[in-house]
Amino acid sequence: DADVTQTPRNRITKTGKRIMLECSQTKGHDRMYWYRQDPGLGLRLIYYSFDVKDINKGEISDGYSVSRQAQAKFSLSLESAIPNQTALYFCATSDLTGDQPQHFGDGTRLSIL
Amino acid sequence: AQSVTQLGSHVSVSEGALVLLRCNYSSSVPPYLFWYVQYPNQGLQLLLKYTSAATLVKGINGFEAEFKKSETSFHLTKPSAHMSDAAEYFCAVSADTGRRALTFGSGTRLQVQP
Repeated sequence: DADVTQTPRNRITKTGKRIMLECSQTKGHDRMYWYRQDPGLGLRLIYYSFDVKDINKGEISDGYSVSRQAQAKFSLSLESAIPNQTALYFCATSDLTGDQPQHFGDGTRLSIL
Repeated sequence: AQSVTQLGSHVSVSEGALVLLRCNYSSSVPPYLFWYVQYPNQGLQLLLKYTSAATLVKGINGFEAEFKKSETSFHLTKPSAHMSDAAEYFCAVSADTGRRALTFGSGTRLQVQP
């Protein structure tokens, strides 16, 4: 089983809909992250959480919200989806040692029509 | 503040040739540096990392990278390309002390010609 699991893997929806992307991990890591990948732009940080009560905005948080339901679960919501939020979304985790690299899920491909 | 620049969005090499993917970083504090690889329809996988120990870092699949502070560079190399190396490669920096969220470069797509 994957250490970092994202659901759904693919989603097509319409403008204005509310969407939730879910991430769960079995690595026991405290830190969890949501990134967005667009062609030619690499990965950009949306939100990150250092524990259940510590949630922080990344560089592109507008239009997104998150919920850290437990150490192992971190969900990303688009309250009212718009077409320019069409992208590949990745969840990642890391532990507290600082130099521990982040472990990634396989991504959610989101298309907003 | 931290940033990463990857020179060349596409690199093409012949099988058996040297692979060189370039990465330059900007950081106000000593950085941690990473290279990741992404195969089609997959997430990112760590190739190697620099965390202020040895400046020449060896990773998986025969890749290595050298940290050069004077040049603010962390270029990725492999002596002999294999067809299976075709993928997208991302350089990343982590330098916000206490808040180690990665900043990624825009990626370099490596093609390996037979």
